[in-house]
Amino acid sequence: LAKTTQPISMDSYEGQEVNITCSHNNIATNDYITWYQQFPSQGPRFIIQGYKTKVTNEVASLFIPADRKSSTLSLPRVSLSDTAVYYCLVVILYNQGGKLIFGQGTELSVKP
Amino acid sequence: EAQVTQNPRYLITVTGKKLTVTCSQNMNHEYMSWYRQDPGLGLRQIYYSMNVEVTDKGDVPEGYKVSRKEKRNFPLILESPSPNQTSLYFCASSPPRERGENTQYFGPGTRLTVL
Repeated sequence: LAKTTQPISMDSYEGQEVNITCSHNNIATNDYITWYQQFPSQGPRFIIQGYKTKVTNEVASLFIPADRKSSTLSLPRVSLSDTAVYYCLVVILYNQGGKLIFGQGTELSVKP
Repeated sequence: EAQVTQNPRYLITVTGKKLTVTCSQNMNHEYMSWYRQDPGLGLRQIYYSMNVEVTDKGDVPEGYKVSRKEKRNFPLILESPSPNQTSLYFCASSPPRERGENTQYFGPGTRLTVL
């Protein structure tokens, strides 16, 4: 079964680029990688999703190497409001159901 | 407004007293799911439902029940709550997926304390 591993915490400063890497060694052929952001006392919010190579939207970029055993969420020029917990999610057992495995999350702290 | 709602938002109860946490979505999503969130453990899936009358266990289903009689509602039932079920609970829904894609919309959360 796919399992995700992320750093527990990261620190950054305003204006820097932040890269958070998630490893998912047992990812299956049909699995997608999804990233969510969570602020205190709120539910997680979808950021970005990808299957391979690179995906970019207005918020972030997602880099996935050819072997797909890891993925990197890139947040350009972070601000104080980007302080949150970021979760990597792999969808597993798609053909047998919709089981979802979240990583433990990376707590990002952005300092002025 | 498209949203997932949960009720109650906060609940303090005692061991053994049956309770239900409701979850409703107005986006006509097929997939719905319940999670619990505990410090240091992240989000763990309790149960999920692929569609009406179709439910299945997630990673931590023990002590919980669910039902999916209507597409919009997915209540979480604790028949005999215990203190180890004290947690923050989230309901989520997502539209039909192609392949392994998944975009979930989360509710605001229910903070449950079992004394």
